[in-house]
This record gives sequence, C-alpha cells and structure tokens, in this order.
Amino acid sequence: AAGVIQSPRHLIKEKRETATLKCYPIPRHDTVYWYQQGPGQDPQFLISFYEKMQSDKGSIPDRFSAQQFSDYHSELNMSSLELGDSALYFCASSLGPRSGYTFGSGTRLTVV
Amino acid sequence: GQNIDQPTEMTATEGAIVQINCTYQTSGFNGLFWYQQHAGEAPTFLSYNVLDGLEEKGRFSSFLSRSKGYSYLLLKELQMKDSASYLCAVGRGSYIPTFGRGTSLIVHP
Repeated sequence: AAGVIQSPRHLIKEKRETATLKCYPIPRHDTVYWYQQGPGQDPQFLISFYEKMQSDKGSIPDRFSAQQFSDYHSELNMSSLELGDSALYFCASSLGPRSGYTFGSGTRLTVV
Repeated sequence: GQNIDQPTEMTATEGAIVQINCTYQTSGFNGLFWYQQHAGEAPTFLSYNVLDGLEEKGRFSSFLSRSKGYSYLLLKELQMKDSASYLCAVGRGSYIPTFGRGTSLIVHP
C-alpha cells in the first residue's frame, strides 16, 4: 500500500540558508500534518492542512511557512536556518483519528 | 494546554507482559493515541481510544479512563523487536495528536 512520501530523506544546510521539505500524503487522505522532532525529544506539532487550507497551527516559527497544493502534496519552507532547526521533520496524513495518522519516514535536516 | 506523563524507560524480558502507563491533563480532549517509534524512524500508529475501556489488537491492548486522565498500553508475549519508544499522544481540537516524551522499552532475552 502507498505510504506517506517525504523528500529529501537527508538535507544539510548552512546557517541562514533556506530549505524546502516536501510531503506526498497517502492518496485520498485529506489532512496533512507537519511535526518537528529534535534529538531525544517528542514530536512537536508545527502546522496542518485540511483540503488545501491551513487548519491548525502549532509551534511553527515565523521563519517557517507551509502550504498544500492542488494535488494535496505539501511543502514546508524554512528560511534563515538556525543550528537549533536541526531535527527530524515528519509529515503525517490521515482520513480521521480512528484510521490513525500515518507518518512518512521523515527528513533529517542538519544545519551547520 | 496539556501535560502528558509517562515513564522514561522500562525494561522487560522476552515473552513477558509489560504495561506502559500514561497520565494526562488536557483541555479539549478528543481521544488518546499510542505510537511506536524505533530510533530514527517515523512513529507507527498502534491504537486510538476515545471511549473508556480496553481495546485489543493482537498482542497490543490499550486502555483509557477519561475521568482519571489515564491510559495504558499493554504488550503481551514480548519480542526483541518490540524494543522501541512508545509515545502516548492526546488528541485535542481537530484531533491533532500532541505527543508525550515517550517511554523507551528495552526487551532483553
């Protein structure tokens, strides 16, 4: 079965650079969520989209923005990168809580 | 806001049963999730409880008591591959899971 696809798997950027992470949800899933997980930390909710509209906002810094496109894929844009942005970034998609939230394999971002 | 509390680490023997507890305080409760996460990998959905009681899925069962703000994940017939972090997550608002710090389970022979 198709899963949530994230790209790239790994990304190395320098401080103050920008990065774009992509997420392709499971077909027919109408909601996409972005999470950030620092080393040894729990996943922190950043932002979510339902039917291409932003539905909820968590602890997403102002330097980050995201959108969901007409084909339902989503992109997380990160600017003025800081060392503290180094983390695993997960995207998840869902049809609703009872079916669970399926996470992608994540993008490991390293800021040097 | 919400507070989610679970033990940091637990150890158990292969073939045994282990219970991982989770207590929470939250506003706008919309169910409780359990996820399994191996190091460096994505969390994998295990269960979702919205009503009080026990839900069983193979070797894994999850229990919820909303009045006590308490849940547990029960793992039976432990296998070495069950060594992982187990994340308790509270659904709030639009059912967005808010994760606790997770319990690192170590299964030894």
